[in-house]
Amino acid sequence: ILNVEQSPQSLHVQEGDSTNFTCSFPSSNFYALHWYRWETAKSPEALFVMTLNGDEKKKGRISATLNTKEGYSYLYIKGSQPEDSATYLCAFPGTYKYIFGTGTRLKVLA
Amino acid sequence: DSGVTQTPKHLITATGQRVTLRCSPRSGDLSVYWYQQSLDQGLQFLIQYYNGEERAKGNILERFSAQQFPDLHSELNLSSLELGDSALYFCASSVTGSSTDTQYFGPGTRLTVL
Repeated sequence: ILNVEQSPQSLHVQEGDSTNFTCSFPSSNFYALHWYRWETAKSPEALFVMTLNGDEKKKGRISATLNTKEGYSYLYIKGSQPEDSATYLCAFPGTYKYIFGTGTRLKVLA
Repeated sequence: DSGVTQTPKHLITATGQRVTLRCSPRSGDLSVYWYQQSLDQGLQFLIQYYNGEERAKGNILERFSAQQFPDLHSELNLSSLELGDSALYFCASSVTGSSTDTQYFGPGTRLTVL
């Protein structure tokens, strides 16, 4: 059974803090790892698609790294702002199906 | 706005009934995905279509079926509805349907089964 795990489950940080969370996935049969941002009452929004071991992607204050050999990806947010409050999901396209983690719920306090 | 449209936005129905959810992908996208988010559960992949053909199947119940039409819109049919089918149903689309494609999500259809 393929399992995608995210930690922590939830996180409260102060405005201006930097933070990071982890997504663990099966290291065999790797195709890609997707990160999404999901705000309350909205739909998931794609952040990154990571494909190569050692990949590092950046979008503004958010960046992500990938280690396919050990099966993990980190998402970093530098200088968190209240508008970063959302659930961050990772998804692993296994063979013939997509598996989502349960997400990390981030709350940035002003 | 992702460019993916879903109708209806909300649907309330009774147990035992049958409903159809509709999705129109972004212009140019050939692949459509369906997901379910139930209360206290994460996003569950149901099924993927590419250019009218089924490409991947997740934990979709036998009471559920889907199809993608020649104009690339897709419909998810849910029958013999049970209380547990109440959920938010998302459709997403991507250009080629490959595992490295970015998926764009629609606004979702909230189904309530009473």
